[in-house]
Amino acid sequence: EVQLVESGGGLIQPGGSLRLSCAASGFTVSSNYMSWVRQAPGKGLEWVSFIHSGASTYYADSVKGRFTISRDLSKNMVYLQMNSLKAEDTAVYYCARVTVTQDYWGQGTLVTVSS
Amino acid sequence: EIVMTQSPATLSVSPGERATLSCRASQSVGSNLAWYQQKPGQAPRLLIYGASTRVTGLPARFSGSGSGTEFTLTISSLQSEDFAVYYCQLYSSWPPKYTFGQGTKLEIK
Repeated sequence: EVQLVESGGGLIQPGGSLRLSCAASGFTVSSNYMSWVRQAPGKGLEWVSFIHSGASTYYADSVKGRFTISRDLSKNMVYLQMNSLKAEDTAVYYCARVTVTQDYWGQGTLVTVSS
Repeated sequence: EIVMTQSPATLSVSPGERATLSCRASQSVGSNLAWYQQKPGQAPRLLIYGASTRVTGLPARFSGSGSGTEFTLTISSLQSEDFAVYYCQLYSSWPPKYTFGQGTKLEIK
C-alpha cells in the first residue's frame, strides 16, 4: 500500500528556515517522481516543487531560490528545505507521488510563518 | 502562463441529481487535465487524468470530458459522499509544472 507521511511543520518566524520530511512506503522514491503542493488556510492548491527520478529539480516561481527539494534514497524519503520564509508561505504542505500527475498524497503538515 | 478558471465557485445540487463542473484553460492544454476531490481536513484525491480517464476504483458516476480549453466533470447521480471541493489541474510533463483551478465547492441543496 502506498503511503506518504509528512512531518516537520510548525510555527516559524519570518526569515526563518524549516525542513519538511516525507516518508514514503509501498514504493521506492528512486523510481518515481515526487512533488510538494501547498494549500494556504481556506485557499486553493499551489504546486511548489518537483524532483525527477534522475534527481533534476523544479520549482514554482514563488519559491525559487528559497526552497530546495531533495531525497534520501537509503531512507526512501523526500525533503523540502524552506529558507527565508515569508508570511505568505503559511500553508499545509503536502507531499505527493507523481505518475501522470500527483496520484498519492500524504495528509500534510502545517507551516505557520508568523512573529 | 496558462490560467485555469473553474465555474461556478459554488454549486448547490440535491442528492441523486446530476452535477456539472466546468474548467477553462486560457490557452489550449490538449488533454493534460486532471480532476481532484478534496473533503474538509483531507488531502486531495485524484479522480480523473487525461481529461477523461478515471482512476482505478472510481465509481462510474464520475466522468470527465473535454479537450483544448474546455473541460467538464460530471457526477451523474450525487451521493452524500460526493459533496466536497473539486479542483481541476493542468499538468505538464516537461518541464514539470502543475496549475490548479481555484476550485468548485459542491454543496447539498
